Amino acid sequence: GAVVSQHPSWVICKSGTSVKIECRSLDFQATTMFWYRQFPKQSLMLMATSNEGSKATYEQGVEKDKFLINHASLTLSTLTVTSAHPEDSSFYICSANVLGLAGGPSSYNEQFFGPGTRLTVL
Amino acid sequence: TQLLEQSPQFLSIQEGENLTVYCNSSSVFSSLQWYRQEPGEGPVLLVTVVTGGEVKKLKRLTFQFGDARKDSSLHITAAQTGDTGLYLCAGGRNYGQNFVFGPGTRLSVLP
Repeated sequence: GAVVSQHPSWVICKSGTSVKIECRSLDFQATTMFWYRQFPKQSLMLMATSNEGSKATYEQGVEKDKFLINHASLTLSTLTVTSAHPEDSSFYICSANVLGLAGGPSSYNEQFFGPGTRLTVL
Repeated sequence: TQLLEQSPQFLSIQEGENLTVYCNSSSVFSSLQWYRQEPGEGPVLLVTVVTGGEVKKLKRLTFQFGDARKDSSLHITAAQTGDTGLYLCAGGRNYGQNFVFGPGTRLSVLP
């Protein structure tokens, strides 16, 4: 499958600082990437859809000025948590949207996840 | 709003037992994916099913997509402790549209 990397894998920061998380597709190009947040023992919560060359689409309740997303190239999307606070501590995961081939004329939609970034805000 | 339900949400079994996890929706999806996630890691794609009625096998795991492409099941034969983890199903739509995730099934396989 397609490989997606995230950096850093974990970060500890002081309250009030900004943290940037990178999501890279290593062996393919991804026009669309997704950013998720996951709380302990819960499923994934979609934060935003990142589109190369255009503004991200944020889910309801997610502050776009708080969580800045930049998808400047077909292999890189970044999420910046601005003025981080302890309540922003979470596991952040990105995924890349890929069109798979079903062995015929049709194609289907797949996504491959990065390994996640554990953010702890003190 | 498209929703995916998963059942059971928690399952604890002994090694060697069989189990089935269900993923249900009232919506039709163009594809459905199953993932396994371990603590502190990103979800790992197990399979993508695309065609209604499709059955895919991955060693001891059997995945089925419902005829109407609204539901799916994951069956594990002779579970092993290494199968422990969070199993997530996700419904795919058009390219660029977000996937719809189920709440997950947390499986514990005891030795």
